[in-house]
Amino acid sequence: RKEVEQDPGPFNVPEGATVAFNCTYSNSASQSFFWYRQDCRKEPKLLMSVYSSGNEDGRFTAQLNRASQYISLLIRDSKLSDSATYLCVVTPLGRLYFGRGTQLTVWP
Amino acid sequence: NAGVTQTPKFRVLKTGQSMTLLCAQDMNHEYMYWYRQDPGMGLRLIHYSVGEGTTAKGEVPDGYNVSRLKKQNFLLGLESAAPSQTSVYFCASSIQLAGFSEQFFGPGTRLTVL
Repeated sequence: RKEVEQDPGPFNVPEGATVAFNCTYSNSASQSFFWYRQDCRKEPKLLMSVYSSGNEDGRFTAQLNRASQYISLLIRDSKLSDSATYLCVVTPLGRLYFGRGTQLTVWP
Repeated sequence: NAGVTQTPKFRVLKTGQSMTLLCAQDMNHEYMYWYRQDPGMGLRLIHYSVGEGTTAKGEVPDGYNVSRLKKQNFLLGLESAAPSQTSVYFCASSIQLAGFSEQFFGPGTRLTVL
């Protein structure tokens, strides 16, 4: 079983829509969780960390559900500039494991 | 402040050739990493380093070697390239061990092995 599983999408949504991605992980010892963003043919960049209590950064909200072993990312009021691939990252035992990414396209 | 840089950006090799990818960071980070990214596979860790003079194997180390002679540089070597090593290679660095701080990535090296 893979350390982290992500729905690859693609998700195609209109501007202003709300979209949510989930990511499941297999190792209950995972301690830290992140969402990275990767634009086409570019390097990944940190979008936000995911805290146990959930956290929000502007239009982005990240949630962690340890009981069901998944993390989620909610994007409200989608912008054209949100079009990218979103990678979830989990860290069991000090290693980073990346999901294969969820592709989002926001259309006008 | 350039962050993380990678050389070269693109390379085409023939099977059996060797090459070295160079990663440099100017953020004084202790930790450096090499990943490969293949379609549908996500990023996979090849090797990493927790400080100058140290290296360790990651998830997919076979066919690669690394060296960290200087804190700011992390080299990835392919001794005898194979078509299965066609991929995009990303270097990253962080101030703390993976999972405890942000990883900063270089722009990537696109390698094709014919």
